[in-house]
Amino acid sequence: NAGVTQTPKFRVLKTGQSMTLLCAQDMNHEYMYWYRQDPGMGLRLIHYSVGEGTTAKGEVPDGYNVSRLKKQNFLLGLESAAPSQTSVYFCASSQPGGNTEAFFGQGTRLTVV
Amino acid sequence: GENVEQHPSTLSVQEGDSAVIKCTYSDSASNYFPWYKQELGKRPQLIIDIRSNVGEKKDQRIAVTLNKTAKHFSLHITETQPEDSAVYFCAASMRNTPLVFGKGTRLSVIA
Repeated sequence: NAGVTQTPKFRVLKTGQSMTLLCAQDMNHEYMYWYRQDPGMGLRLIHYSVGEGTTAKGEVPDGYNVSRLKKQNFLLGLESAAPSQTSVYFCASSQPGGNTEAFFGQGTRLTVV
Repeated sequence: GENVEQHPSTLSVQEGDSAVIKCTYSDSASNYFPWYKQELGKRPQLIIDIRSNVGEKKDQRIAVTLNKTAKHFSLHITETQPEDSAVYFCAASMRNTPLVFGKGTRLSVIA
């Protein structure tokens, strides 16, 4: 039972490049989330999904897109990376209802130069 | 939307002393309040949570208290140990909404 797995773990991008972060969970959770973590800023919600085929904006959605084509996967895309998107990205998942424990992936450290 | 404030941002205690971290929330509809611990370079992991129908919950050296009237909740760690050193996050949510996190408290336990 792997829980929540993120790919890749590290990445360096040049400004303007694009990339996709993959999150996979094997707990059959309905809800999935993407957060970014910056020093002194805590965990800020980028986008989330309450089920296959659904997505919704969080607190800091600009510059990101997401897709939830399969229940177990939640993809985060950066179409044109900017230095301000340098961060650690965490995916999480939870049972339906939202107000339950969220299980986190191991994180992706992204640097945009 | 919900807003969660967390204090202090850093906290240093001597080994064996107690540590208290406090959080306030803005939306009275929030009913779930978890605490996460994040060790250096690791993912956040749940250590304790409380729901709005409970005022206090304890798990060994860790306890959480909730005051719904004042809209604040606190994490208490007793008999601190070096392995308690980490960043702690509080969060709040209501039904069908994602967790909103505080900005974190870096706890250092000095041996």
